[in-house]
Amino acid sequence: GESVGLHLPTLSVQEGDNSIINCAYSNSASDYFIWYKQESGKGPQFIIDIRSNMDKRQGQRVTVLLNKTVKHLSLQIAATQPGDSAVYFCAEKIGGGSYIPTFGRGTSLIVHP
Amino acid sequence: EAGVTQSPTHLIKTRGQQATLRCSPISGHTSVYWYQQALGLGLQFLLWYDEGEERNRGNFPPRFSGRQFPNYSSELNVNALELEDSALYLCASTPGSGYTDTQYFGPGTRLTVL
Repeated sequence: GESVGLHLPTLSVQEGDNSIINCAYSNSASDYFIWYKQESGKGPQFIIDIRSNMDKRQGQRVTVLLNKTVKHLSLQIAATQPGDSAVYFCAEKIGGGSYIPTFGRGTSLIVHP
Repeated sequence: EAGVTQSPTHLIKTRGQQATLRCSPISGHTSVYWYQQALGLGLQFLLWYDEGEERNRGNFPPRFSGRQFPNYSSELNVNALELEDSALYLCASTPGSGYTDTQYFGPGTRLTVL
């Protein structure tokens, strides 16, 4: 399950399970959202994005859901693998804003074999 | 295709010194972004350069500065280093300045201030 530790929120799952990583965003004017994966010792890597005119977008083994009513974003990873272990960040861009994404604090996903 | 590269990988300085970090974007990319990632925290935006010009600046003091060269590579300078500047500094590049352009990140430079 999901827990909040001293540093990053952590989600521990078993290999093969589906994972859901949640993100709350703050600005109702945000219109573009991105998920990144950061493995230990590496820079963030783009996973998937979604514009605010969509509720759902699917990629390879990943799905992003956007609920604008409650300003909530989630990343679903199907059949989670040990290689999915990483920190996952959501980022938002504000329409008419500075073009600079605002990153969330991140969630650490730990996949147990 | 080579990704974004950053140098050095690690940098150790003492308080009050100056640090220079370098970034080479993906070939053909004209925009470079700098972020600071302190331990356990998200990415904090520092600077954005596009076509050689500074386009935007984050909420950091003036001792954080940088530039972008004609070949689109960039350097970040941090003067009068403080202990709290210890962090991972990430560079990202995009093909242009489009709103939905994907940011491609380098591996980062780990700066330690003693």
